[in-house]
Amino acid sequence: DSGVTQTPKHLITATGQRVTLRCSPRSGDLSVYWYQQSLDQGLQFLIQYYNGEERAKGNILERFSAQQFPDLHSELNLSSLELGDSALYFCASSSHGTLTTGELFFGEGSRLTVL
Amino acid sequence: DAKTTQPNSMESNEEEPVHLPCNHSTISGTDYIHWYRQLPSQGPEYVIHGLTSNVNNRMASLAIAEDRKSSTLILHRATLRDAAVYYCILRANTGGFKTIFGAGTRLFVKA
Repeated sequence: DSGVTQTPKHLITATGQRVTLRCSPRSGDLSVYWYQQSLDQGLQFLIQYYNGEERAKGNILERFSAQQFPDLHSELNLSSLELGDSALYFCASSSHGTLTTGELFFGEGSRLTVL
Repeated sequence: DAKTTQPNSMESNEEEPVHLPCNHSTISGTDYIHWYRQLPSQGPEYVIHGLTSNVNNRMASLAIAEDRKSSTLILHRATLRDAAVYYCILRANTGGFKTIFGAGTRLFVKA
């Protein structure tokens, strides 16, 4: 158990719909990362938040958005869903500071199926 | 983030050592070398990391070249449960960076 919680574990929806994926980081971790992993593909970095602020952006589509709340949990919003958005979405968290080396701890992922 | 290069796949026999190589010729002085692995149907998990010196933990050993341009993850006795995709990435101890995962090395373990 990594300590990172993602909900829901599975989600099936239709094209054109909007969904929200939720991530609770490990206690005390300030950074949250979102990744997308399509079938047999590698991990595509989407976005990173640190203590509520966006810090780095990857290949995140304009239809996708994310935020990190004051309690440090994060949500990834996916809208106008297309078939190609079907994938596993992973959240990871890490701590940062002079005494840490920033290991990433991943959740179990949210599997999104768009029909 | 600096780029890493790994072989697409490797094969090992059970209970034999496995050496997984990684090249990172553009590594900067503040980059830590991290290894993660992803078992089937699971999220990636942290394996080991190092900066300059070789490192050992209960899962593996990490050998870092003197010029830091390459590293090798060593599994001392491969088991069937070690079959996974192994990722080598570079991370700096700063607040924001992309943390890019490459394609990784898929390790096959034969009984």
